[in-house]
Amino acid sequence: EPEVTQTPSHQVTQMGQEVILRCVPISNHLYFYWYRQILGQKVEFLVSFYNNEISEKSEIFDDQFSVERPDGSNFTLKIRSTKLEDSAMYFCASSQRQGEEGNYGYTFGSGTRLTVV
Amino acid sequence: ELKVEQNPLFLSMQEGKNYTIYCNYSTTSDRLYWYRQDPGKSLESLFVLLSNGAVKQEGRLMASLDTKARLSTLHITAAVHDLSATYFCAAIMNYGGSQGNLIFGKGTKLSVKP
Repeated sequence: EPEVTQTPSHQVTQMGQEVILRCVPISNHLYFYWYRQILGQKVEFLVSFYNNEISEKSEIFDDQFSVERPDGSNFTLKIRSTKLEDSAMYFCASSQRQGEEGNYGYTFGSGTRLTVV
Repeated sequence: ELKVEQNPLFLSMQEGKNYTIYCNYSTTSDRLYWYRQDPGKSLESLFVLLSNGAVKQEGRLMASLDTKARLSTLHITAAVHDLSATYFCAAIMNYGGSQGNLIFGKGTKLSVKP
């Protein structure tokens, strides 16, 4: 079964450093997302991306965050200057375009645990 | 703004018992998703409910959707230890024209004890 791949699985970084989290969505999916989950808390929407641009973003997704699809397969989340409160599990997800096939599923990757020290 | 509320947030059950998790959402959302998450793991899709009155069942889990009441339920029948996990419901924001973004509830941490 196709899956969303995320790397690295765990990243430790010093406060103020830049990090890039990487995702390879499912190849025929057109919509891409980043979510985060602070330990023991709910899953929060960060940003959605379609047709090489941001579709929606939440209040969490401020100027410190950016997303990019640098080639045909990767989808990245960059945090420019990490803060302690950015420590969380970051999930990438992808979905097919809603269409006649009626596939409304969202597939999540296994996550990157980001620890800011 | 779409808000999703789940209750209970914590549920301790004995094996063999039945229970229901409730998911309310604040504005129109014609699709409702249920996910399972084991500790430290990703989100595993359980059900996608697409229309009012939809009911889906997989093993000991059954999910239903009432769009008029803005309520979905996840019913657990004869619980077993393997069902211990956190269960999230999620509704769709900005549905209609775009794929929409999932907005999650806080999750229900289920613990099934022998």
